[in-house]
Amino acid sequence: GAVVSQHPSRVICKSGTSVKIECRSLDFQATTMFWYRQFPKQSLMLMATSNEGSKATYEQGVEKDKFLINHASLTLSTLTVTSAHPEDSSFYICSARAAGTANYEQYFGPGTRLTVT
Amino acid sequence: EDQVTQSPEALRLQEGESSSLNCSYTVSGLRGLFWYRQDPGKGPEFLFTLYSAGEEKEKERLKATLTKKESFLHITAPKPEDSATYLCAVQETAGNKLTFGGGTRVLVKP
Repeated sequence: GAVVSQHPSRVICKSGTSVKIECRSLDFQATTMFWYRQFPKQSLMLMATSNEGSKATYEQGVEKDKFLINHASLTLSTLTVTSAHPEDSSFYICSARAAGTANYEQYFGPGTRLTVT
Repeated sequence: EDQVTQSPEALRLQEGESSSLNCSYTVSGLRGLFWYRQDPGKGPEFLFTLYSAGEEKEKERLKATLTKKESFLHITAPKPEDSATYLCAVQETAGNKLTFGGGTRVLVKP
């Protein structure tokens, strides 16, 4: 149980284009999903928290207009990197917390490697 | 602000050589401390949640313990397949987010 998928696993795009990454909870409903980025040999940095049906909460220093997050259902959240630039190249990982439980565990997806050329 | 520090940064072990990883934390109110395993190029895999000082949890060769200031992840008689980065994270009572430590990269040589 508690499986989270991400699509795509890898994406290469040209500078100035937009890229959408999907995060799905496969066997549970997630009221809250989280988006992280991870640079090589570094730990995870939280970008934003999204709750189903409401606007995402972004961490300090994360541009809301650049990283668009939509959490349209209890099993799907999307991250769109708009007007991507090489410095946006990174490993993006989502996580989900199960709805209606007393547990606070976050279950992570396999990650999406974004390369902007 | 929550702070999480993991040590050592890297650990090289011989197969069968037991060791411990440390996670020191500062948080206004602890809701939970989480341990994850991360393999290269993959997302973190959930291992344990600890909620209160004195709590211990075990899974195969791994055992996690918690005090009011730190947590330890003990690896007993490790095997090469235990090689990974182990991440510690805390969640405070006031919110949803996890604050991660820098991780400990463990390499177990056969």
